[in-house]
Amino acid sequence: DVKVTQSSRYLVKRTGEKVFLECVQDMDHENMFWYRQDPGLGLRLIYFSYDVKMKEKGDIPEGYSVSREKKERFSLILESASTNQTSMYLCASSLRGGRLNEQYFGPGTRLTVT
Amino acid sequence: GQNIDQPTEMTATEGAIVQINCTYQTSGFNGLFWYQQHAGEAPTFLSYNVLDGLEEKGRFSSFLSRSKGYSYLLLKELQMKDSASYLCAVMDSNYQLIWGAGTKLIIKP
Repeated sequence: DVKVTQSSRYLVKRTGEKVFLECVQDMDHENMFWYRQDPGLGLRLIYFSYDVKMKEKGDIPEGYSVSREKKERFSLILESASTNQTSMYLCASSLRGGRLNEQYFGPGTRLTVT
Repeated sequence: GQNIDQPTEMTATEGAIVQINCTYQTSGFNGLFWYQQHAGEAPTFLSYNVLDGLEEKGRFSSFLSRSKGYSYLLLKELQMKDSASYLCAVMDSNYQLIWGAGTKLIIKP
């Protein structure tokens, strides 16, 4: 089974702090994604990566950056956390050209910025 | 712009059948996905449709009409464990997933 893990299930940070969210997948997937999920809104793509050291902006990249130094690990960085970044953050991975481009999700990190 | 519409919430009775609709307007189409998400958990894949018609998988079926920009997820013999949110997502011409806000399904005994 594909397993996608995220470093924390719950995180509380103060405004202005630098925040790191880590995601690791164990199935050698090329593609990795970071989403945020807010009530009443669909999943919104922040950044994605198709390969090591490669990154592409999604729909809402402002205030975020990412790092992919190894194939299995994709990190989301909030340079200076703000209260409007309080959200559920979901990481996902998929095979390049794989069946249906089905995405496998991690359990999510619920981040609260106070 | 790109848009996915699905009802916010639906209620059904255990043992019954429920149909969750999804309409979409996207730039291009490379398939439609349904995911299930239990409260506090990650979304999990349910189905994928790229051709018109009905795909059946056990108690769950998914239908697609590309000409109408319409899909539905049909759940039969509802069980309490089916209480969850159901997310519709369309893959656009850039192979990016556009997500609906999800439909929260409440099952009553």
